[in-house]
Amino acid sequence: QKEVEQDPGPLSVPEGAIVSLNCTYSNSAFQYFMWYRQYSRKGPELLMYTYSSGNKEDGRFTAQVDKSSKYISLFIRDSQPSDSATYLCALVNRDDKIIFGKGTRLHILP
Amino acid sequence: DTGVSQDPRHKITKRGQNVTFRCDPISEHNRLYWYRQTLGQGPEFLTYFQNEAQLEKSRLLSDRFSAERPKGSFSTLEIQRTEQGDSAMYLCASSPRGAAYEQYFGPGTRLTVT
Repeated sequence: QKEVEQDPGPLSVPEGAIVSLNCTYSNSAFQYFMWYRQYSRKGPELLMYTYSSGNKEDGRFTAQVDKSSKYISLFIRDSQPSDSATYLCALVNRDDKIIFGKGTRLHILP
Repeated sequence: DTGVSQDPRHKITKRGQNVTFRCDPISEHNRLYWYRQTLGQGPEFLTYFQNEAQLEKSRLLSDRFSAERPKGSFSTLEIQRTEQGDSAMYLCASSPRGAAYEQYFGPGTRLTVT
């Protein structure tokens, strides 16, 4: 079993819809959970990071962590065509080791 | 601009040649990371520095790869005797000390080995 699983998509949704992106992980040692956005041929851009189970909101983005289920989510409200990108989850364990998911390609249709 | 910068942005080289990439981190960050990313994959960790000390190297970092951060500021990643399998995007990131969860990436160097 891979340490982090992320559906590669592509995921296509109409503009204005709520987007749900998810990752599952197998190792309970992960402590920090991050979401990055990556446009084509660019470096990843840090969107949010969170430590504890629960929700963290930043504008149209909400990160959700369920440590008991080893499941993390990123929700995007009022999605825009400019949100079209690849979204990567990343997890950090107690030894500061980072593991990235493969990324989910998201297309917001105008 | 005070973000992470990388140079060059693109590099095309012939198999067997050596290449060197440079990364300039955010100035107040003392951690610097190197990753490799291939199409359809997330970044894969290669190595990281805290100040000038190289603290960890991935098994992905074969003996043809070497990284340095001589004065704890910029870093270089050298690949010797390049192979076609080295073709990838090489990403650099930096973070404050003890905040591996707060990494900021540069634009990457895209390497093509022909």
